[in-house]
Amino acid sequence: DVKVTQSSRYLVKRTGEKVFLECVQDMDHENMFWYRQDPGLGLRLIYFSYDVKMKEKGDIPEGYSVSREKKERFSLILESASTNQTSMYLCASGYRGLGDTQYFGPGTRLTVL
Amino acid sequence: AQKVTQAQTEISVVEKEDVTLDCVYETRDTTYYLFWYKQPPSGELVFLIRRNSFDEQNEISGRYSWNFQKSTSSFNFTITASQVVDSAVYFCALYFYNQGGKLIFGQGTELSVKP
Repeated sequence: DVKVTQSSRYLVKRTGEKVFLECVQDMDHENMFWYRQDPGLGLRLIYFSYDVKMKEKGDIPEGYSVSREKKERFSLILESASTNQTSMYLCASGYRGLGDTQYFGPGTRLTVL
Repeated sequence: AQKVTQAQTEISVVEKEDVTLDCVYETRDTTYYLFWYKQPPSGELVFLIRRNSFDEQNEISGRYSWNFQKSTSSFNFTITASQVVDSAVYFCALYFYNQGGKLIFGQGTELSVKP
């Protein structure tokens, strides 16, 4: 079974704090993704990576950065958290092939006060 | 433009009823992939099915079935004899290769199955 894990299920931070969300997959997938999910907006792609040290902006990268130093780990960084970044964050991974399935982690519900 | 529309925001049924979740997509690509995911209250998105644009055969898996029609750009999902455990948010998604394998999601349909 594919296993994608995220470092926290729930996180509460204060405005201005630097926040790290970690994602680890155990399937040797090339691609990894970070999405945020908000009511009425579905899932929106923040950043993705198709290889170690590679990253590409998604639809809503502002206020976020990412790091991929190892193939199995993809980190999402909020440099200075703001209240409008309160959301559910979902990590996914998948092979690089055309149309390959993305597998999701359990999500991190982040609240910024 | 690539787009996925799930017009039904919420659906409520009584156990054992059949229910169909609609998904309409837009793409100019001739090769594309469509997906359905289930998100139960626990939050994790669970992969249900993947369908490519060259395969219009309907698919059945137990109580679940999918109807893919290119002529109407639809990929609808039917649950037969619904159960309380089917209560979840269901997402339809379109794979967009030009941006490295990006999934474009619909807004989701929240299905509530009451006993």
